[in-house]
Amino acid sequence: NAGVMQNPRHLVRRRGQEARLRCSPMKGHSHVYWYRQLPEEGLKFMVYLQKENIIDESGMPKERFSAEFPKEGPSILRIQQVVRGDSAAYFCASSQSGTGDNSPLHFGNGTRLTVT
Amino acid sequence: GQQVMQIPQYQHVQEGEDFTTYCNSSTTLSNIQWYKQRPGGHPVFLIQLVKSGEVKKQKRLTFQFGEAKKNSSLHITATQTTDVGTYFCAGQRGSQGNLIFGKGTKLSVKP
Repeated sequence: NAGVMQNPRHLVRRRGQEARLRCSPMKGHSHVYWYRQLPEEGLKFMVYLQKENIIDESGMPKERFSAEFPKEGPSILRIQQVVRGDSAAYFCASSQSGTGDNSPLHFGNGTRLTVT
Repeated sequence: GQQVMQIPQYQHVQEGEDFTTYCNSSTTLSNIQWYKQRPGGHPVFLIQLVKSGEVKKQKRLTFQFGEAKKNSSLHITATQTTDVGTYFCAGQRGSQGNLIFGKGTKLSVKP
């Protein structure tokens, strides 16, 4: 029963380093979403991708953040030159079809990023 | 931008008491989804409401979607300690809009 797989589960980076977060969607799902969650906060949408395409990146900061979902392999959320304010839980979710079909999201366990 | 507001932010109840969380949108929604996140866990899909005035039940949980499709509620009857967690509503505007999550209601249940 392979759900959405995220790794690493915990990631510690020093200021200025790069963070790479990986997400493998559920089998049969080709739509991937990344959300960011601060403690005691809701989930803030970052980016929506379909295989090899970025569909909506309206929630992604313009600098230092990038995301990809290649034809082969997991989706990657990349944060360059991390700062303390990037510390958060980053959740990936996948769906069978896109937002137009009202598909529910299946979330991974998240990556807890700590920037020291 | 589109806002989805949830109240209350926190709710502490005695086991056996009822619990309700409310979700309000500034714009009309095409559908609303509810998720539950246990402490330290990830959000888990509970249900989706699409039709105006829709009511759905899952055992002790009752979900409602307002007539104007701008608000929703989740009611839990006779809470149990297993109900502990944060309940999020997520609204979608239009057929292609992304899900916008509320900040959630954190429920604690005292045995």
